[in-house]
Amino acid sequence: EAGVTQFPSHSVIEKGQTVTLRCDPISGHDNLYWYRRVMGKEIKFLLHFVKESKQDESGMPNNRFLAERTGGTYSTLKVQPAELEDSGVYFCASSQVATLSSYNEQFFGPGTRLTVL
Amino acid sequence: AQSVTQPDIHITVSEGASLELRCNYSYGATPYLFWYVQSPGQGLQLLLKYFSGDTLVQGIKGFEAEFKRSQSSFNLRKPSVHWSDAAEYFCAVGIRGKLIFGQGTELSVKP
Repeated sequence: EAGVTQFPSHSVIEKGQTVTLRCDPISGHDNLYWYRRVMGKEIKFLLHFVKESKQDESGMPNNRFLAERTGGTYSTLKVQPAELEDSGVYFCASSQVATLSSYNEQFFGPGTRLTVL
Repeated sequence: AQSVTQPDIHITVSEGASLELRCNYSYGATPYLFWYVQSPGQGLQLLLKYFSGDTLVQGIKGFEAEFKRSQSSFNLRKPSVHWSDAAEYFCAVGIRGKLIFGQGTELSVKP
């Protein structure tokens, strides 16, 4: 069974440009999460999809970030325009159906390292 | 606010020595607790988790962790470290579907 995949593995862009990150969750996983780790800091939650709906987007830093999950399968995270402080590693994770009172293991992808120059 | 603290940014141990990685959390209710490991070029892999019951939990790769409510701690242990254990380790609390992570502890293993 394929794990969570992310593309690209590394992206280098200039300030002001647009970048789109993609995440393919494990097949059948309704829950999809985005996290980010800025250098030297902890991994921080960005948002959570249940199928195609945004369940929780409380961690999105600002309106330059747009996440979508069309059809409840893969997800994209677009940063437009990118700023220097957006540099970091963006992780995607997925899990099976869960409720607010229970947890299923979140399976993580290898991350996309974004460098904004 | 909920938070997770891993006080040790970097630890070096000799191969075969025992290991303890510290984790403290701040959360009002009974937490869901996790330890993840990230090897270079890999995603985060779940080592073990605590939801309820026995406070000593066993995980993969010979790791275990003990939940101590009185100390708000969930320390990770391994009796004998192998060179392949060199990686970064993350403690996390699960709250309403999302994970709140500590800063991570990087483990180096000396031959």
